[in-house]
Amino acid sequence: DVKVTQSSRYLVKRTGEKVFLECVQDMDHENMFWYRQDPGLGLRLIYFSYDVKMKEKGDIPEGYSVSREKKERFSLILESASTNQTSMYLCASSPSGSDYNEQFFGPGTRLTVL
Amino acid sequence: RKEVEQDPGPFNVPEGATVAFNCTYSNSASQSFFWYRQDCRKEPKLLMSVYSSGNEDGRFTAQLNRASQYISLLIRDSKLSDSATYLCVVITGFQKLVFGTGTRLLVSP
Repeated sequence: DVKVTQSSRYLVKRTGEKVFLECVQDMDHENMFWYRQDPGLGLRLIYFSYDVKMKEKGDIPEGYSVSREKKERFSLILESASTNQTSMYLCASSPSGSDYNEQFFGPGTRLTVL
Repeated sequence: RKEVEQDPGPFNVPEGATVAFNCTYSNSASQSFFWYRQDCRKEPKLLMSVYSSGNEDGRFTAQLNRASQYISLLIRDSKLSDSATYLCVVITGFQKLVFGTGTRLLVSP
């Protein structure tokens, strides 16, 4: 059974704080993704990575950075959290080998920035 | 215009009813299409792929109409457990998934 875990289910931070969201997958997947999900806007891709130390910007990378030092772990970093980054953050992973393989999602981290 | 558009609903149906959702997409070069299901406060999970010839999985049928650029999901004999949000997903490039905002389904006894 594929498992994607995220470090926290709920997180409350203050404006200006540095925030780390961790994601770990146990299926040796090459591809990992970070999305945010907001009402009325759906899931939007922030960053993705197709290999260790590789990263690609998604549709809304501004205000975020990522790190992939190990294959199983993909971190999302908010350098200076702002209130408009309050959202549900979802991590996903998928194997490589074709243009698309099913993406497996973690349970999500609901981040509130005060 | 959004790349992928769905009626947000909610669709309120009784158990046993048949219900259908549509999803329209704007990029005619879109290559692959999927339906994901998301339960309340849970992560999305793949429900089924959508093929040009249409495909069926038990009570669920997915159809693709490339000429009109829409995909559909039909659920027959609705169950209470079908209550969820159904996300339309369109693949427009390498690992480039575009999600619709979802259609909420509520099945009542």
